[in-house]
Amino acid sequence: GESVGLHLPTLSVQEGDNSIINCAYSNSASDYFIWYKQESGKGPQFIIDIRSNMDKRQGQRVTVLLNKTVKHLSLQIAATQPGDSAVYFCAEEYSNNAGNMLTFGGGTRLMVKP
Amino acid sequence: DSGVTQTPKHLITATGQRVTLRCSPRSGDLSVYWYQQSLDQGLQFLIQYYNGEERAKGNILERFSAQQFPDLHSELNLSSLELGDSALYFCASSVDRTSVDEQFFGPGTRLTVL
Repeated sequence: GESVGLHLPTLSVQEGDNSIINCAYSNSASDYFIWYKQESGKGPQFIIDIRSNMDKRQGQRVTVLLNKTVKHLSLQIAATQPGDSAVYFCAEEYSNNAGNMLTFGGGTRLMVKP
Repeated sequence: DSGVTQTPKHLITATGQRVTLRCSPRSGDLSVYWYQQSLDQGLQFLIQYYNGEERAKGNILERFSAQQFPDLHSELNLSSLELGDSALYFCASSVDRTSVDEQFFGPGTRLTVL
């Protein structure tokens, strides 16, 4: 079933191409950033994270880039596959004595054409 | 499978009613978070509990309340339900309270208010 908003920006890519999903975050005090993948009918699933003392982190087929100067985060997926089709959310987190505050971006729908 | 469980999976009720959503965190996780995901507002943080105590509040209505029990499971109570409360409700858990770390999401409860 439908699990996310209807009016999401959509990125459509051909299978095998690289995908780049962008996100602007809002809080300059945020010190931890996460990319989540959400497939229809499921909860968000962790993909990759990065702390504010880094500007790049690589995983398996995924890379996250952080530009703190302009408060911008991007997710790069190499050799995109049909199974990558989902909604991708960036999230920024900061912690204080009250706890961890996680704020999600609006999401981008990735559609992979076979 | 994230290790976070939520029940029920689906819930259909009428306006004005009250419902209780249940969440069991991953083994060893002390923090529990509740989120609401609606079609027009994306993922919204509601509230966080750590080891039985409320730690952070987000956009949670006064008609909503939550608690975390000694066994660390949590319940989200929604009362005087309105049509606009129809949404997916996710629970997430993490190990700690103040350190920034990954939150693991459950599969969600889909609430439909008729």
